[in-house]
Amino acid sequence: GDSVTQMEGPVTLSEEAFLTINCTYTATGYPSLFWYVQYPGEGLQLLLKATKADDKGSNKGFEATYRKETTSFHLEKGSVQVSDSAVYFCALSTWNRDDKIIFGKGTRLHILP
Amino acid sequence: GAVVSQHPSWVICKSGTSVKIECRSLDFQATTMFWYRQFPKQSLMLMATSNEGSKATYEQGVEKDKFLINHASLTLSTLTVTSAHPEDSSFYICSALRGIANTEAFFGQGTRLTVV
Repeated sequence: GDSVTQMEGPVTLSEEAFLTINCTYTATGYPSLFWYVQYPGEGLQLLLKATKADDKGSNKGFEATYRKETTSFHLEKGSVQVSDSAVYFCALSTWNRDDKIIFGKGTRLHILP
Repeated sequence: GAVVSQHPSWVICKSGTSVKIECRSLDFQATTMFWYRQFPKQSLMLMATSNEGSKATYEQGVEKDKFLINHASLTLSTLTVTSAHPEDSSFYICSALRGIANTEAFFGQGTRLTVV
């Protein structure tokens, strides 16, 4: 079945460091891919998305490129800030087949000042 | 972006009582909403898919009689935890789908349920 695998955390970085959170997926067909962010005590917010191969999603300095050949959607940011500390979820959706979003287990990110 | 409101944000209840959690799409109509449960180590578990005007579709292992879902209108879905027990304590999150051609899911802020 469809699944999402992302690197386990927690990930701890210093402010202004480069961030990569790996995400790979397994799916039939052509899923849409997402990164969601969850700040402490809150629900999930969509960070960025890509709906087809080679699309690049970007928002707030974060980027991720839909790589069909490697079935990956790695999240990157060139210079992280303390305010980026949160839990990040990689997800895929199969809207054209069934109405589901499948999440990875989440990666907790700690940014040290 | 679109707004999904979840109420209450947190609730404490006694064992054996029932608790209702509401999920509202404030500025769009949602024929499909989802209910998730988030466990302490972050993972989100899809509990059920709620479709307006029809019965919810529950994921395997989720007790239908314990987690009652009602999607009576295009802007409201409710989750009722019946006869709550301490093991039901968790963070519950709803999401609503907006759009057909360019579907996107929007999430509520979550409800922290503590059963004592």
